Amino acid sequence: EPEVTQTPSHQVTQMGQEVILRCVPISNHLYFYWYRQILGQKVEFLVSFYNNEISEKSEIFDDQFSVERPDGSNFTLKIRSTKLEDSAMYFCARRTSVGGSNEQFFGPGTRLTVL
Amino acid sequence: SQKIEQNSEALNIQEGKTATLTCNYTNYSPAYLQWYRQDPGRGPVFLLLIRENEKEKRKERLKVTFDTTLKQSLFHITASQPADSATYLCALEKDSNYQLIWGAGTKLIIKP
Repeated sequence: EPEVTQTPSHQVTQMGQEVILRCVPISNHLYFYWYRQILGQKVEFLVSFYNNEISEKSEIFDDQFSVERPDGSNFTLKIRSTKLEDSAMYFCARRTSVGGSNEQFFGPGTRLTVL
Repeated sequence: SQKIEQNSEALNIQEGKTATLTCNYTNYSPAYLQWYRQDPGRGPVFLLLIRENEKEKRKERLKVTFDTTLKQSLFHITASQPADSATYLCALEKDSNYQLIWGAGTKLIIKP
């Protein structure tokens, strides 16, 4: 199965600005995830999205973050007021629907740089 | 507290030998354990999944074992090649909500 695509590949923003990161999965998948990875550190779960609703979110996913699937295709992660520590790679992933297991397929990521 | 530990030091292996990577966890009872490969600047790529009732899983040159008593998984690459050089991540499924909890990864370097 094909992976998801993500845009932009690299986003540079000023601290305090809003950013929107986009993920374009195959439309018939139900489970999506956002992760982030600060340079040199481990992958961290942000939020899972099932059937167009948030199913679980981590402590990182505070009020500054939101996710939407506004048109049934694109899947967005919004950071309302970016901080320096938001600089990281952000990955969107989808869960395969085959067999009920949870292998996940990741997009190429968006590198967010907050100045 | 819940922990997933992978060897933080890079593992250097001679081409053709078997590479073995370790993933230890505490305070989890995962239903699944997964292994991913990550190259620099890229997203993780799924390799293998093993269920709690499985002892071993194979795929081509890859083999994963899962010991729920020891709370440990071993990941083996046989006949290793320089192209196998990457960081290998283990991930556990937390509860039944499909959220993955990740280890920090082990960097594997295969020398020609």
